[in-house]
Amino acid sequence: DAKTTQPTSMDCAEGRAANLPCNHSTISGNEYVYWYRQIHSQGPQYIIHGLKNNETNEMASLIITEDRKSSTLILPHATLRDTAVYYCIVSRSLRSNDYKLSFGAGTTVTVRA
Amino acid sequence: GAVVSQHPSWVICKSGTSVKIECRSLDFQATTMFWYRQFPKQSLMLMATSNEGSKATYEQGVEKDKFLINHASLTLSTLTVTSAHPEDSSFYICSARVASGRNNEQFFGPGTRLTVL
Repeated sequence: DAKTTQPTSMDCAEGRAANLPCNHSTISGNEYVYWYRQIHSQGPQYIIHGLKNNETNEMASLIITEDRKSSTLILPHATLRDTAVYYCIVSRSLRSNDYKLSFGAGTTVTVRA
Repeated sequence: GAVVSQHPSWVICKSGTSVKIECRSLDFQATTMFWYRQFPKQSLMLMATSNEGSKATYEQGVEKDKFLINHASLTLSTLTVTSAHPEDSSFYICSARVASGRNNEQFFGPGTRLTVL
């Protein structure tokens, strides 16, 4: 699976949008971009995923560049409960037999009041 | 989303004993379950992938004889840490993917904190 690069940490203000970048320059054509987050001492929580089109759900938006070498997760209105480690992961489709999620170091996001 | 549970949520054991951790998918059937380990201030590390009714596939460097995985049904996988030692103390997290692949999601359990004295 392609490796991803994320900033180690970032702060954002409560109520503002949080933009989390991720580089995945070696992504291949059949690999998806997944985002998960992990609040302290809990299991990871799925946020969103995409292949090449931008995606939006109730939690976040995912913007993938046209060349697919990078993406940005957008939390539109960050709250204190969004403080967590955010993981950007590249992997084959869930339906693929060789699908598996390998976690990198992630970005520690701290939302401040 | 679907719910994955783990039992126990935490366990303390003596060195040399074995500990079993259960992972259950509560409202869906999971053909594949994954086991991760997470040390303090580190990321999750995939230990093994288990498919219902077949042997687990272990990641490089993970001892299959020490970490026994059984996936006997579509809703239950167990991880047994045999002859546990203090260096096995960690946060163990399981996850499952739905059998139908309806959603491209992998659901994670809340984790089990193992402390070996």
